[in-house]
Amino acid sequence: DAKTTQPTSMDCAKGRAANLPCNHSTISGNEYVYWYRQIHSQGPQYIIHGLKNNETNEMASLIITEDRKSSTLILPHATLRDTAVYYCIVRVALNAGNNRKLIWGLGTSLAVNP
Amino acid sequence: KAGVTQTPRYLIKTRGQQVTLSCSPISGHRSVSWYQQTPGQGLQFLFEYFSETQRNKGNFPGRFSGRQFSNSRSEMNVSTLELGDSALYLCASSSLLGRGYNEQFFGPGTRLTVL
Repeated sequence: DAKTTQPTSMDCAKGRAANLPCNHSTISGNEYVYWYRQIHSQGPQYIIHGLKNNETNEMASLIITEDRKSSTLILPHATLRDTAVYYCIVRVALNAGNNRKLIWGLGTSLAVNP
Repeated sequence: KAGVTQTPRYLIKTRGQQVTLSCSPISGHRSVSWYQQTPGQGLQFLFEYFSETQRNKGNFPGRFSGRQFSNSRSEMNVSTLELGDSALYLCASSSLLGRGYNEQFFGPGTRLTVL
């Protein structure tokens, strides 16, 4: 079962900031939040990840609430090429070893309008 | 550095047949994961291989199997194909499977259509 909840779709005007929310209320203390995006007909592409602190890279910023139950991915100046499905994912530990499995939801379909 | 490559890109099969999909990870990457993507279910994890050993397995029937070779290339096989197996099959590689998580790099996928 997916452990994250995202809106099905969002719109954003070109040049404006796109703020994509994600709820992960059952996240545990050592689980990271990851964001990927998938442009039509391509494989998913890594964007950013974080644990507690806000993170920023050349693509986006990630804001994680203090209780870690939700986060927001921010694309500061959206372009038409940012039109994609955005996935918010938490890392789940299956057992005491190093095995990991990412649980993917259905993501948010972001449309950047001209 | 070349990205993850998957072959073939498109495949059409009929029910009851079997299929083998291939994935070549990024050079130096030892972990390969496979996912099935359908419109209604999103990405679903199939299995993960590391150093020729299956490390993780998702909730798919035994008709879905995989393997990894000593050069880290991986194959997945689906036997007795069903209409519901029509999907985009994605392969992802990462550099090291350790205590942390390493970014996964995805290939373009193989689009399988079962008639």
